[in-house]
Amino acid sequence: EPEVTQTPSHQVTQMGQEVILRCVPISNHLYFYWYRQILGQKVEFLVSFYNNEISEKSEIFDDQFSVERPDGSNFTLKIRSTKLEDSAMYFCASRSRWDRGEQYFGPGTRLTVT
Amino acid sequence: AQKVTQAQTEISVVEKEDVTLDCVYETRDTTYYLFWYKQPPSGELVFLIRRNSFDEQNEISGRYSWNFQKSTSSFNFTITASQVVDSAVYFCALSDANTGNQFYFGTGTSLTVIP
Repeated sequence: EPEVTQTPSHQVTQMGQEVILRCVPISNHLYFYWYRQILGQKVEFLVSFYNNEISEKSEIFDDQFSVERPDGSNFTLKIRSTKLEDSAMYFCASRSRWDRGEQYFGPGTRLTVT
Repeated sequence: AQKVTQAQTEISVVEKEDVTLDCVYETRDTTYYLFWYKQPPSGELVFLIRRNSFDEQNEISGRYSWNFQKSTSSFNFTITASQVVDSAVYFCALSDANTGNQFYFGTGTSLTVIP
């Protein structure tokens, strides 16, 4: 069964450094999402992406964040200058054009900012 | 605005007991989807069930069952004869069909099943 993959599974970085989290959505999906879960808290929406542009973003998704689909398979989340409070689990998700109800989540990348 | 409330923060039960996890949602949309996810200690989100707003039939899958009631905006989840492997955090989520389909998650219920 096709699945969403994310790399790395765990990333440790120093405050102020740039990080790029990578996701490979399911191949025929057209809508892509990033979510964040701070330890012990709920999963929060960051951004949705369709047709090579951001379709929606939350208040969390400020100028420090950016997303890109650099090729036909990857979907990336970049944090330009990480802060301690960016430490969280980041989930990528994708959905097909035809099923508005289902998003398939990746296993997550745990980001630790020291 | 869309909102999901899981009032139970933590629940502990003894193995083989039944347990119900509550979920109450708010949305102005007429077409929406409700979900339950399980998050084990390893951190991934495991999909359990999806319901759309037009389908109020209750569903049973093995030891799991779900009770969807639009009249009370609730989508509760019951585990029958709980097992230690059911220990996890369970999230209820709402996605509406008309505003980009982003998921709105509840704050989760941490279930501990004691052997």
